[in-house]
Amino acid sequence: GAGVSQSPSNKVTEKGKDVELRCDPISGHTALYWYRQRLGQGLEFLIYFQGNSAPDKSGLPSDRFSAERTGESVSTLTIQRTQQEDSAVYLCASSRPGWGRNTEAFFGQGTRLTVV
Amino acid sequence: ELKVEQNPLFLSMQEGKNYTIYCNYSTTSDRLYWYRQDPGKSLESLFVLLSNGAVKQEGRLMASLDTKARLSTLHITAAVHDLSATYFCAVDTYTGNQFYFGTGTSLTVIP
Repeated sequence: GAGVSQSPSNKVTEKGKDVELRCDPISGHTALYWYRQRLGQGLEFLIYFQGNSAPDKSGLPSDRFSAERTGESVSTLTIQRTQQEDSAVYLCASSRPGWGRNTEAFFGQGTRLTVV
Repeated sequence: ELKVEQNPLFLSMQEGKNYTIYCNYSTTSDRLYWYRQDPGKSLESLFVLLSNGAVKQEGRLMASLDTKARLSTLHITAAVHDLSATYFCAVDTYTGNQFYFGTGTSLTVIP
């Protein structure tokens, strides 16, 4: 597609439920990132995928969070047993490699998650 | 841990005035990115600075990078209301596993 696509754009869920967020990166972008942005805050790194390499999960805040990516395509971020503090906008970004490093990241519109 | 600091965090300025936003980072990096975020929207890439001394300009915005000082600036010339947004800088490391974002600068241009 022309840009990074995320779905759903908004999600309201009850505390304790599981949610799954989807990200479809730009075609040809081997790197994919998930970030979290709480209201009025900056971006918090969650996880990074690069091609078929093992993902960098160092930013995941707890074991309730997990993410998968099949090859260089769609990624899903799953939050189990959601808590109110999980309420945030979840942003996905992708970038293409250049000279051995990734180039600028292009962001999707985000999924606004509200846990009630 | 790599830190990226921006100042000011909040900036209110009148139309027609000039101002500079600063971005300091704590580790060696030769790449810096500036993004714009409108309320309720995602991040839009503004500038990519790929080397020491790089300068890029787009309209009323000009960004520069000094890798020795670990400093980037975003200069606003003759501000207009349409520039009101939050501006983020970001750096990446040579391992390239993530982009480290600054705290953001919320800019309000008053007519």
